[in-house]
Amino acid sequence: AQKVTQAQTEISVVEKEDVTLDCVYETRDTTYYLFWYKQPPSGELVFLIRRNSFDEQNEISGRYSWNFQKSTSSFNFTITASQVVDSAVYFCALSETNSNYQLIWGAGTKLIIKP
Amino acid sequence: GAGVSQSPSNKVTEKGKDVELRCDPISGHTALYWYRQSLGQGLEFLIYFQGNSAPDKSGLPSDRFSAERTGGSVSTLTIQRTQQEDSAVYLCASSFSSGGASETQYFGPGTRLLVL
Repeated sequence: AQKVTQAQTEISVVEKEDVTLDCVYETRDTTYYLFWYKQPPSGELVFLIRRNSFDEQNEISGRYSWNFQKSTSSFNFTITASQVVDSAVYFCALSETNSNYQLIWGAGTKLIIKP
Repeated sequence: GAGVSQSPSNKVTEKGKDVELRCDPISGHTALYWYRQSLGQGLEFLIYFQGNSAPDKSGLPSDRFSAERTGGSVSTLTIQRTQQEDSAVYLCASSFSSGGASETQYFGPGTRLLVL
């Protein structure tokens, strides 16, 4: 069974629309970490955010916001007023204490922002 | 400061040849990781180095793959007798310290390998 599920394979929206990328995870650890990375067409993975399992506060960074809900094991990512430069593949990843350093990756969501 | 660097950025080789891919981690980072990403796919873990400890090679797909890390810094991933299925982007990442669950991995731009 997948431990990190990004059910949306591809999302296409028109510029300035808001868009939410879903991430659902599965773990038995009480202490774990969740990450989002962005992979633009250039290919380099860019770190966006890290959240630990004890901090359920939502986080906002400019047009980006993250909604962490332990009750539903979800860590969703919303882009407000999307821009063409947001076009990329976005990966959600899980790090479990028992697995130490290994990141468990979702399959990624390809986001296309049309002008 | 400089990020993770990888070279070459692109490599085209013929089936059966050996290739070497290089990764230079962020200065001061002790943990280093190699991943493989096939076209349109997620990341596949290959190998992990932490300081002077024995590397975790559990992700290497075959004995044609090997990696070294000299002096706790630069790493080289070697693929011997390349096959067409080895064609992928090879990504290197580094993290600051012990590589524990909380560590953030920072990625290089990758090496795009094409085996003809």
